[in-house]
Amino acid sequence: DQQVKQNSPSLSVQEGRISILNCDYTNSMFDYFLWYKKYPAEGPTFLISISSIKDKNEDGRFTVFLNKSAKHLSLHIVPSQPGDSAVYFCAAADSWGGGGSYIPTFGRGTSLIVHP
Amino acid sequence: SQTIHQWPATLVQPVGSPLSLECTVEGTSNPNLYWYRQAAGRGLQLLFYSVGIGQISSEVPQNLSASRPQDRQFILSSKKLLLSDSGFYLCAWSAGTGPREQYFGPGTRLTVT
Repeated sequence: DQQVKQNSPSLSVQEGRISILNCDYTNSMFDYFLWYKKYPAEGPTFLISISSIKDKNEDGRFTVFLNKSAKHLSLHIVPSQPGDSAVYFCAAADSWGGGGSYIPTFGRGTSLIVHP
Repeated sequence: SQTIHQWPATLVQPVGSPLSLECTVEGTSNPNLYWYRQAAGRGLQLLFYSVGIGQISSEVPQNLSASRPQDRQFILSSKKLLLSDSGFYLCAWSAGTGPREQYFGPGTRLTVT
């Protein structure tokens, strides 16, 4: 049973336009959410995060929105650039639970292709 | 600054052979350490995590084992590899408390033939 779902396996966007990547979760104990970017044959790199006490966090071209009532978050990339082409993973965690263990749950990823 | 090393980068091993992948972290103390496997179209599957030396938790039953002999060293092993062990293996670390991000190593591409 997937607790974190990225229902779009791929997304194609024109350079300069907005990319919107979506993520849904089911576990109401999750209170910290992260996005990672992964290029082929490399490890994921942390992109941006958001705590459940916020509904928006912005870092340059990247903005993450959190809708707790809908258990939904999204990553907006504006403007999209060809170098943004990668697989994006959404992750969620119960940051204070598990007796000290911190085990984020990852979605299966969305492959973003930005066309020049 | 913190860095994470993982080796080898690629590995081709026959079925039934042993495996040892090593991961080390520099620039931090008492990190949480993780081993993940990425199979095609399956996202990141957590295999093991460790909150301290000698403390290993396994998320899924499998043919693999992990050990943490030192604070910043994490080893993934197998006595006999199966074809299904092929995949991209990632080591990661995170700080020890509170909400935080993970930092991943470059990964090891394992092909079992």
